[in-house]
Formats: sequence, C-alpha cells, structure tokens
Amino acid sequence: EAQVTQNPRYLITVTGKKLTVTCSQNMNHEYMSWYRQDPGLGLRQIYYSMNVEVTDKGDVPEGYKVSRKEKRNFPLILESPSPNQTSLYFCASSLTSFSYEQYFGPGTRLTVT
Amino acid sequence: QKEVEQNSGPLSVPEGAIASLNCTYSDRVSQSFFWYRQYSGKSPELIMSIYSNGDKEDGRFTAQLNKASQYVSLLIRDSQPSDSATYLCAAGGLEYGNKLVFGAGTILRVKS
Repeated sequence: EAQVTQNPRYLITVTGKKLTVTCSQNMNHEYMSWYRQDPGLGLRQIYYSMNVEVTDKGDVPEGYKVSRKEKRNFPLILESPSPNQTSLYFCASSLTSFSYEQYFGPGTRLTVT
Repeated sequence: QKEVEQNSGPLSVPEGAIASLNCTYSDRVSQSFFWYRQYSGKSPELIMSIYSNGDKEDGRFTAQLNKASQYVSLLIRDSQPSDSATYLCAAGGLEYGNKLVFGAGTILRVKS
C-alpha cells in the first residue's frame, strides 16, 4: 500500500529534550516536506526536500532541523524543543515539487511542557 | 497579505444541497491548485486538483478555476453529513518557490 508513515503519533516531552519525528514514504517520491498545523493558522511549511541531500527552509524553520540521507526518509529534529513548538505535525511527499499532488502522513501531535 | 485566502466558515448546508467553497489567491501566476479535505484530528486528503481554467468534475465534486479573477472554487453536490470537514485550498507555482501554499481552511457542516 502506498503510504507516508510517521512516528510517533503522539509525543509529550519537556522543554529542551531533543526529539526526532520520523517520516517514511514508499512511493519513490522525490519531494518531501514537513508542515505544522495550528488553529487559525492553517498548514505552514517547516522544511522541504527536493531530493536526497537537497533540503531547504520553508516558512517557519526556526527551531527545527531535517536531513535527507535516503530517498524514502525525511526525519524532523527538534534539538531543544520549546512550548511554542506544541503543534500537530504532518509529513508529506509528492512525485516532484509543487506540480504534483502531495500525500500526507497521519500526523504527530507534539506537546512540549 | 495572505497568499491564499478562504472564508473560515463554518458553512452550514442541509443534506442534499450544494455546498460551494471558495478560495482566492494572490496576483502571482499560480499554476497548480488543489482541494484537500481534513477531518478533525486527521491528515489532509487530496480530493481535487486543477491546473487550467474551467471546470473539472469528479463524482459529486466539481472544481472551478478562473485565473483572470484569481479564484478557485469547489462545489459539492448532494452534500452528505460525511462531507462535514475542513476543506483546504492550496496553490503552487514557480513564484511560490518549491512549495504549496495553503489557505487556513473552510469548515463545512452538513446538517441532516
């Protein structure tokens, strides 16, 4: 089954404790992206990757890191989480950049206390 | 100025009616437009894509694009309670960089 998977689905952590949210797709997509979704603000892009070893900042990259060492995986790293990073996070992938439909993972609800 | 704008709603329609959702975008030359449906607590699900002016129909859904007026709409015929969700409009194009820009979404409620 073609899908985007994320782990964990739910995470409660404390300020400053490094965490990683994994994202994996099995569709051989070149483009992958991370979004956060907050009430009233919609989906905002954090980082994206056009292909292996090619990543770039989205609209709200502060406090986040990413890497793309393999085509299928695109982890999101919060080196020192803060309460304002409490949000619902989605990973998405598409065949290539903006011209193609993006497929979303199930989401990770992160709470930073 | 927001690049993609939607009325947040909620838009309430009776079961069986036509729901009309609208989206406007900035004066950049957008090329790709998408409608996503999102149930509460779930991930966005692509329901329609449209790239050229005019109408595109898929089952009960019709997407309409008017580039001259810079709007894209989604019509849902014979609305069902299961259509109750948030509908996200997204636009993409070279001027946006390598990303989709999403509107904040319109809440649709279909009353039985």
